[in-house]
Amino acid sequence: QSVLTQPPSTSGTPGQRVTISCSGSSSNIGSRLVNWYQQLPGTAPKLLIYSNNQRPSGVPDRFSGSKSGTSTSLAISGLQSEDEADYYCAAWDDSLNGWVFGGGTRLTVL
Amino acid sequence: QVQLVQSGAEVKEPGASVKVSCKASGYTFTSYGVYWVRQAPGQGLEWMGWINAYNANTRYTQKLQGRVTMTTDTSTSTAYMELRSLRSDDTAVYYCARGGKTAAELAFDPWGQGTLVTVSS
Repeated sequence: QSVLTQPPSTSGTPGQRVTISCSGSSSNIGSRLVNWYQQLPGTAPKLLIYSNNQRPSGVPDRFSGSKSGTSTSLAISGLQSEDEADYYCAAWDDSLNGWVFGGGTRLTVL
Repeated sequence: QVQLVQSGAEVKEPGASVKVSCKASGYTFTSYGVYWVRQAPGQGLEWMGWINAYNANTRYTQKLQGRVTMTTDTSTSTAYMELRSLRSDDTAVYYCARGGKTAAELAFDPWGQGTLVTVSS
């Protein structure tokens, strides 16, 4: 059971906009910055969004992050087949004194 | 470019130890920390701990306290993660990632390619 809660799966068609939610508590998302990672099949995770809503260089602006209270979400617009991957949210947890991840959401592009 | 290259796959018997290396390049090693994360087959990501590459301060997840040791060799810009008393549920891909000078600072970026550790008799 992960500390951060994500839906296990979601799907969309090319060109569509999808969102992935991630909920936590006051000891993690509620008081800390959130990061999102993309893991393409068979590869290492890659940083997608940091500090709630910042994109690293090279990440398309189709990807965006937002946070409200103890929840956060990742939005992907103009869905493409290469976006098919697992997505993880992560935040520092002040009660556990460690990083916590969501369980991951598998995005399928239909 | 900033890169982390990990050692190769390992097969260990239950009760043994494993030591995974993570060689950094493209940045000043001692200006950052290193995180370690593992992923069991078909499962999600699990944070294992962090080490400050400058002063070797560490922070481990409670779950692995007593079985894990993280170290660095600044002369070769390499971080190490040793896990002892291996069990079958330690079978996973182990990743290193660059982090901050404190455990809670900075996102995990970039990541190493991963090292598969299989625990089996």
